[in-house]
Amino acid sequence: KNEVEQSPQNLTAQEGEFITINCSYSVGISALHWLQQHPGGGIVSLFMLSSGKKKHGRLIATINIQEKHSSLHITASHPRDSAVYICAKGRAGNQFYFGTGTSLTVIP
Amino acid sequence: KAGVTQTPRYLIKTRGQQVTLSCSPISGHRSVSWYQQTPGQGLQFLFEYFSETQRNKGNFPGRFSGRQFSNSRSEMNVSTLELGDSALYLCASSHGTDNSPLHFGNGTRLTVT
Repeated sequence: KNEVEQSPQNLTAQEGEFITINCSYSVGISALHWLQQHPGGGIVSLFMLSSGKKKHGRLIATINIQEKHSSLHITASHPRDSAVYICAKGRAGNQFYFGTGTSLTVIP
Repeated sequence: KAGVTQTPRYLIKTRGQQVTLSCSPISGHRSVSWYQQTPGQGLQFLFEYFSETQRNKGNFPGRFSGRQFSNSRSEMNVSTLELGDSALYLCASSHGTDNSPLHFGNGTRLTVT
C-alpha cells in the first residue's frame, strides 16, 4: 500500500471552474507538501503545511491531521494551471513519500 | 539567488555503462536529495545527503550511489545501467531540517538503450 494516495488521477475542467485534488496519507508526517510539475519536468513547491489552511493567490491547501487528509483547491481555474499536481508526505529525517500525481487540464 | 542546477539536461547511455549526474544546490542549502521519476512508478526517493553524509536512503539497489562535496554539490552515480533505469532524475535542495521546503532542479532525463 502506498504511503500517499492521491485522487483523481486525471482531471479535466473548464476555465473558471473550482477544482479540488485530494490526498490521503498513512501515519507519521512532519509536513504535507503540494508540488506542481509542468511539462518538461520542473517541479515547484506550492505549499508545505502541517496544520490548518494556507492560501496563495487562487490556490488553497488544507490539511486535517485527525483524518490524515489534505486537499488542494484551485479557484477560478485557468489554462495556465494545467500541470501535474503531486502531494508528498515529509517524515522525520527529511525523507519524502510521493503520491502518483493528478494530471490537470484546464480547457479555455 | 540562483536555483538548483542539474547537469546534464539529457543523457543517452547504453546498457551496462555507468553514468554520473550532478546537482548544485541553492547557496546556503546543506541538504541535497535525489529522486527518480518514471511514468509507471511516479516520484521515488533515492537518497538524501546532508553535510557530506548520507542521512536517508530509499529502496533502490546498490548500483545507485551518491556523494556530496564540501560545497554541498552532489553527484549521483548509476553503474551497470539497465533499460529500466531510463527516467527523469531530479534533485532537490533544502536547509535540511524537518519541514524545510524543497527546491527542485529541472532534472536530468536519462535514456538507456
